[in-house]
Amino acid sequence: KNEVEQSPQNLTAQEGEFITINCSYSVGISALHWLQQHPGGGIVSLFMLSSGKKKHGRLIATINIQEKHSSLHITASHPRDSAVYICAVDINADKLIFGTGTRLQVFP
Amino acid sequence: GAVVSQHPSRVICKSGTSVKIECRSLDFQATTMFWYRQFPKQSLMLMATSNEGSKATYEQGVEKDKFLINHASLTLSTLTVTSAHPEDSSFYICSAPLGTEQFFGPGTRLTVL
Repeated sequence: KNEVEQSPQNLTAQEGEFITINCSYSVGISALHWLQQHPGGGIVSLFMLSSGKKKHGRLIATINIQEKHSSLHITASHPRDSAVYICAVDINADKLIFGTGTRLQVFP
Repeated sequence: GAVVSQHPSRVICKSGTSVKIECRSLDFQATTMFWYRQFPKQSLMLMATSNEGSKATYEQGVEKDKFLINHASLTLSTLTVTSAHPEDSSFYICSAPLGTEQFFGPGTRLTVL
């Protein structure tokens, strides 16, 4: 069993839909990251969370430390949101373990 | 935010040759940098931790004699894939921490013919 599990693996949506991507982990962590990987491979860090909730524009990330679970939400999705979203957990203040990613496609 | 660059972005080489990939932190110093590998449709996997002024720490299953890492300065780490083979074809990404954040390079796509 992977230490970091994401669901769904693939997700398609119509423009404007509300999207949720889930991440569960089985290890103790110091922080959790949500990353966005574009088709060319470049990675952008969206959020780093250790508790609660963060919001940036149309993106919202939440984490429940007790349940070892995090969600990434995208409101009013847009085709430019199409990318792979990766959850990564920070287990000793620097070493990241990555989930397998969720491939999102948003159609106009 | 902080910027991490990688060079080259794409490289094609013949089997048996060595390839050097550079990772630079452009506007901050990083005593530690991380190297990851991503095979098609798979997750990123940590290969090694690059430590400025000391030996790199390799993850289990990563051959340190094949993937040479040199962290010569506080802004530069290099990964050299020695005697590359087609199975080494992959996407290599580095990251550098600044505070509690991780900043990723744009990646290097290596194709070994």
